[in-house]
Amino acid sequence: GAVVSQHPSWVICKSGTSVKIECRSLDFQATTMFWYRQFPKQSLMLMATSNEGSKATYEQGVEKDKFLINHASLTLSTLTVTSAHPEDSSFYICSARVSRAGLTDTQYFGPGTRLTVL
Amino acid sequence: GQQLNQSPQSMFIQEGEDVSMNCTSSSIFNTWLWYKQDPGEGPVLLIALYKAGELTSNGRLTAQFGITRKDSFLNISASIPSDVGIYFCAGQPNTGNQFYFGTGTSLTVIP
Repeated sequence: GAVVSQHPSWVICKSGTSVKIECRSLDFQATTMFWYRQFPKQSLMLMATSNEGSKATYEQGVEKDKFLINHASLTLSTLTVTSAHPEDSSFYICSARVSRAGLTDTQYFGPGTRLTVL
Repeated sequence: GQQLNQSPQSMFIQEGEDVSMNCTSSSIFNTWLWYKQDPGEGPVLLIALYKAGELTSNGRLTAQFGITRKDSFLNISASIPSDVGIYFCAGQPNTGNQFYFGTGTSLTVIP
């Protein structure tokens, strides 16, 4: 299957600072990547859809100025949590959409980034 | 966003037993995916389904795309301790890129 990496895997920061998380597709090109947030023992919550070369599409209730997404190339999308606060502490997971010949779609996930804001 | 109904929410079974879980939606989906997530890690794709009625196996795992296209099932045969984790279904409607996720099934296997 396709491999998606995330960096860093774990980050601790002070309140008010900004944190950048990278998501890379290692052996394929991804025109579409997704960013999710997951709280303990809960399902994944889609935050935004990241499209290469265009602006990200944010889900309702997600602040686009706080969660900046940049999809500058076909293999890299970044999520920047600006002015992070303790309530932003969570597990952030990216995924990349893989479209196969014909109509089939699959989604592969990165290993996730644990963000802790002090 | 839309969330799929997944059941059961949790399961505690003896090693060697078979497991069944399902996912239902009010909308028709063109794709169903099943993932397993271990603590602190990202979900790992287990099985992908693309046609109504499709039955696909991956080792001891078997998943089916419901005929109505509004549900999917995952079965695990002869469970082992390493099957422990949270299983998520995900469905994609025929419009848009987005996948919608189930609420998850937490599986505990007792040796």
